[in-house]
Amino acid sequence: GAGVSQSPSNKVTEKGKDVELRCDPISGHTALYWYRQSLGQGLEFLIYFQGNSAPDKSGLPSDRFSAERTGGSVSTLTIQRTQQEDSAVYLCASSLARTGQSGGYTFGSGTRLTVV
Amino acid sequence: AQKVTQAQTEISVVEKEDVTLDCVYETRDTTYYLFWYKQPPSGELVFLIRRNSFDEQNEISGRYSWNFQKSTSSFNFTITASQVVDSAVYFCALSAMNYGGSQGNLIFGKGTKLSVKP
Repeated sequence: GAGVSQSPSNKVTEKGKDVELRCDPISGHTALYWYRQSLGQGLEFLIYFQGNSAPDKSGLPSDRFSAERTGGSVSTLTIQRTQQEDSAVYLCASSLARTGQSGGYTFGSGTRLTVV
Repeated sequence: AQKVTQAQTEISVVEKEDVTLDCVYETRDTTYYLFWYKQPPSGELVFLIRRNSFDEQNEISGRYSWNFQKSTSSFNFTITASQVVDSAVYFCALSAMNYGGSQGNLIFGKGTKLSVKP
């Protein structure tokens, strides 16, 4: 597609429920990143996919968080047993290969998750 | 460790004033990239500029200019003759090519919220 598409744009869920957030990167971009932006905070790295390599999960805050990327394209971030502190905007970005070579990421508009 | 510091949390100026947003970074890598992103109220992050560690030339793009100084590990961003549409949160970010397993990962500062009043 022309840009990075994320869905849903907004999600309200009850504490303890599972949620799935979707990211559709720019066609041809081999690198895909998930970030979390809590209110008033900067962007916190969560996970990174590069081609067929094993993902870098070093930023995932707990084992309730997982992500997969199917066919090297669409990615799903899953949060199990959501907690109120999971409330944040979840941003997805894609780039050609390494950031430095591509000139930068393209970010989606994010999914605003509210856990009540 | 990789770190980006934006010491200014919020800045408020009146239209047509010049404003400089500060960014200081830390990295042990000799090859790295620095970025500025704009996040308007709509929420989407807009790429503004990328600078690699071997190019210390300052850059000007319209009303925007960037001053990269390796000696002070700073990559400051100046908006000349600010406009109301410049109101946004601005993020500085660092990408180091040999940072552990997260090559290409962006490390963001906490952002500076700029408010330009008419």
